[in-house]
Amino acid sequence: DQQVKQNSPSLSVQEGRISILNCDYTNSMFDYFLWYKKYPAEGPTFLISISSIKDKNEDGRFTVFLNKSAKHLSLHIVPSQPGDSAVYFCAAQGGSEKLVFGKGTKLTVNP
Amino acid sequence: GAVVSQHPSWVICKSGTSVKIECRSLDFQATTMFWYRQFPKQSLMLMATSNEGSKATYEQGVEKDKFLINHASLTLSTLTVTSAHPEDSSFYICSANKSPGRINYGYTFGSGTRLTVV
Repeated sequence: DQQVKQNSPSLSVQEGRISILNCDYTNSMFDYFLWYKKYPAEGPTFLISISSIKDKNEDGRFTVFLNKSAKHLSLHIVPSQPGDSAVYFCAAQGGSEKLVFGKGTKLTVNP
Repeated sequence: GAVVSQHPSWVICKSGTSVKIECRSLDFQATTMFWYRQFPKQSLMLMATSNEGSKATYEQGVEKDKFLINHASLTLSTLTVTSAHPEDSSFYICSANKSPGRINYGYTFGSGTRLTVV
């Protein structure tokens, strides 16, 4: 039973355009959400997070939107750059320090 | 910033031998560290929570006798894969939270260890 779902295994966008990565969750106890970026053979690096009391958090080119009623969040990257090409993981937390990860979405930004 | 160092980055071992992976928090103390495993094209699966000075807490389905975790100090946790078999081949990653508690600003992950059992 996957509590955090990233239904798109891959996404390809043109440099300069917007990248939108989606994440759905099923556990209503989750109250904190994080996005991580991961390159091959490396550990994930933290990108941005959002608390369930907010619906938007912005940090430079990265914005995360949270729709609690739909149990859905998305990561927007604008403008996309070739260096953004990586696997992006959505993670959720609630009730403990444990993080539950989605399967990831591989983003490719084409020059 | 918070830095977590993981060693080795890759290891090849023979079936039946044991392999130890180290996870160190370099510039902060971590009472809790986490060990994950990632299969190709899959999510990071939490294996266990490593607690300094006490026994690790294992997730359901993870064999505690196979994956031995020791968290002897506030900066070091080790994962030992005992009697390794080819199905144990995977990418193992540790993480630590510089600011423990439910409200956090992102765990720091090690660079991972690619284990191949032949």
